[in-house]
Amino acid sequence: GQNIDQPTEMTATEGAIVQINCTYQTSGFNGLFWYQQHAGEAPTFLSYNVLDGLEEKGRFSSFLSRSKGYSYLLLKELQMKDSASYLCAVMDSNYQLIWGAGTKLIIKP
Amino acid sequence: IAGITQAPTSQILAAGRRMTLRCTQDMRHNAMYWYRQDLGLGLRLIHYSNTAGTTGKGEVPDGYSVSRANTDDFPLTLASAVPSQTSVYFCASSDSALAGGNEQFFGPGTRLTVL
Repeated sequence: GQNIDQPTEMTATEGAIVQINCTYQTSGFNGLFWYQQHAGEAPTFLSYNVLDGLEEKGRFSSFLSRSKGYSYLLLKELQMKDSASYLCAVMDSNYQLIWGAGTKLIIKP
Repeated sequence: IAGITQAPTSQILAAGRRMTLRCTQDMRHNAMYWYRQDLGLGLRLIHYSNTAGTTGKGEVPDGYSVSRANTDDFPLTLASAVPSQTSVYFCASSDSALAGGNEQFFGPGTRLTVL
């Protein structure tokens, strides 16, 4: 079956760095997405990786290793507004997104 | 309209009633999707449409139906609601379904409670 695993919850301190991991097993691979979802709101797109390596976008970076079925989202210089759930999703061979349950990130001052 | 709108925002429904959740996008996207989001679970695809006039079943289609008469609208119908359909429903769209890298844009969601 298809499976996306990510930690349920993480806590970090304002100004620090946090890494959210995602491992996956899917039928085919057409890229991996990270979305941010604030409580009570819709998911919003953060990043997309299809090739191995690191993609940097401001304070956020995303890494992919296809051979290991592994990705991480790195958030630097954490701000209180980064408190949200972070969703990992893999596009399978049918171009459908398979979603992880999300990681709730709590930022403490 | 900017992006994707959904209606209603929330709804409490008696079991056995019929309900249609509305979704409209103004981005001229070809593909549209309906997901449900339940606590502790990832977003699960209910139905999708790769282009106007076509629809397909996702991971959890039972008890739901959709139609795609035009590019902009993608309503989701619960023919006879049951309590297990209590969830938050998100509509999404993307420029193309059959290409990697096309991000999905989400509507604000409909919170549905079936009693």
